Amino acid sequence: AQSVTQPDIHITVSEGASLELRCNYSYGATPYLFWYVQSPGQGLQLLLKYFSGDTLVQGIKGFEAEFKRSQSSFNLRKPSVHWSDAAEYFCAVGAGNNDMRFGAGTRLTVKP
Amino acid sequence: NAGVTQTPKFRVLKTGQSMTLLCAQDMNHEYMYWYRQDPGMGLRLIHYSVGEGTTAKGEVPDGYNVSRLKKQNFLLGLESAAPSQTSVYFCASRPSGSNNEQFFGPGTRLTVL
Repeated sequence: AQSVTQPDIHITVSEGASLELRCNYSYGATPYLFWYVQSPGQGLQLLLKYFSGDTLVQGIKGFEAEFKRSQSSFNLRKPSVHWSDAAEYFCAVGAGNNDMRFGAGTRLTVKP
Repeated sequence: NAGVTQTPKFRVLKTGQSMTLLCAQDMNHEYMYWYRQDPGMGLRLIHYSVGEGTTAKGEVPDGYNVSRLKKQNFLLGLESAAPSQTSVYFCASRPSGSNNEQFFGPGTRLTVL
C-alpha cells in the first residue's frame, strides 16, 4: 500500500522568507499527488495537484510543487511567505480510485 | 452552491452512546468518503461509497457504520461510542473520473468522555 512521509512536524519561517515543505511517498506506480492546506478549525483546501506531464505544478496562493520520481518526492515551495500562510499542510497520494493516503502534516508558523 | 456540508460541527458523547454524523453534498458527486483526523497521524479513511446504495471499508472501519441511501448524503454512525473515537471527522466527495481529487467538508469535532 502507498504511504506518505512528511519529515517536518513543525516549521517556523519569517514573513517574506522562502518556504519548502518536504513530502516523500511510497508507491509502485505513478501516483496522483496532492497538497492540501488546513487553517485552524477549517476543512482542507486543495493547493495543487500532480497527475502527469510537467513535473513542476503551480497552485493557488503562489505555491508550487515539483514531482521528482527519482527521489519519490513532491516538495511544496513558496518564494515569499505571508503571515496568512500560517496553517497546517498535508501531502497526499492517491492510488486507484478510492485509496488516498495522507501524511501526518507539517504545521507552519510565520514570524513577523 | 454549498459544496460539502457536515452536521453537527461539535458533539460531546458519553461512552456507550450512539450518534450519526451527516454529510451532504450538492455537486452531484458519485464518490463520498469519511475520514478521521488525529494529531500526528494525518487523515485516515474510515469508509467510502462509490455510489448510491453502496459502501466499502477503508483503513480504519472498526466501530463505525455508514449508509448512502441518497446520492447526496453519506451518514456515519457510531453505535457505541468509545473514548478512542474522539477525533475530528471529515467528509469528502468527488466526481467520477477526477483522479481522486476530493472536496472536503469543514469537519465535525467529536469528544467521547
